[in-house]
Amino acid sequence: QVQLVQSGAEVKKPGASVKVSCKASGYTFSSYDISWVRQAPGQGLEWMGWISAYNGNTNYAQKLQGRVTVTTDTSTSTAYMEVRSLRSDDTAVYYCARGGGSSSTGIDYWGQGTLVTVSS
Amino acid sequence: QSVLTQPPSVSGAPGQRVTISCTGSSSNIGARYAVHWYQQLQGTAPKLLIYGNSNRPSGVPDRFSGSKSGTSASLAITGLQAEDEADYYCQSYDSSLSEVVFGGGTKLTVL
Repeated sequence: QVQLVQSGAEVKKPGASVKVSCKASGYTFSSYDISWVRQAPGQGLEWMGWISAYNGNTNYAQKLQGRVTVTTDTSTSTAYMEVRSLRSDDTAVYYCARGGGSSSTGIDYWGQGTLVTVSS
Repeated sequence: QSVLTQPPSVSGAPGQRVTISCTGSSSNIGARYAVHWYQQLQGTAPKLLIYGNSNRPSGVPDRFSGSKSGTSASLAITGLQAEDEADYYCQSYDSSLSEVVFGGGTKLTVL
């Protein structure tokens, strides 16, 4: 069965960076995009960006452009999302998920989420 | 402000039918990009409920249905059950922003 397993919770100070991993299993990793979506406490879903696991092409939300980098390691079927220059309003649960973009099939499988807390 | 507009909340009694609207524009829903719907139970990751405007993934009850017309889409839930109490989000793609966009979410309360 398809599974996306994310790394554990993180606590970071303002200005630091965080890197979250997402290990995929149960499907051919290179055949699907990976999206990253975050959810601040009590708020809605915010799309951050996606990467093609086939060729590494990326697309980022304009709001986060320059602070976020998404990569993949096809040898281990793992995706990574790094956020730099963290601020308090980056405190959120970060999800990786399969699919995205203008796909007609939606984002069909989600990781369990990783809580990132930014606090001094 | 979300690019896709949803009502903050809806409610209904068990057994009733409720609908949740998702209003976009000519650069997303109106541009014929597919609309997808997600259900998020308290404290859990979102789950794909409807994809491609009106298709249900395997395992999703047929009480859930989606439709799209012009620059809007709707999610309908019939035979409301207590377990349907959750947050619901619509999602599409916006060609002006070149971004995936979500609605602000709708909290469904089963009375």
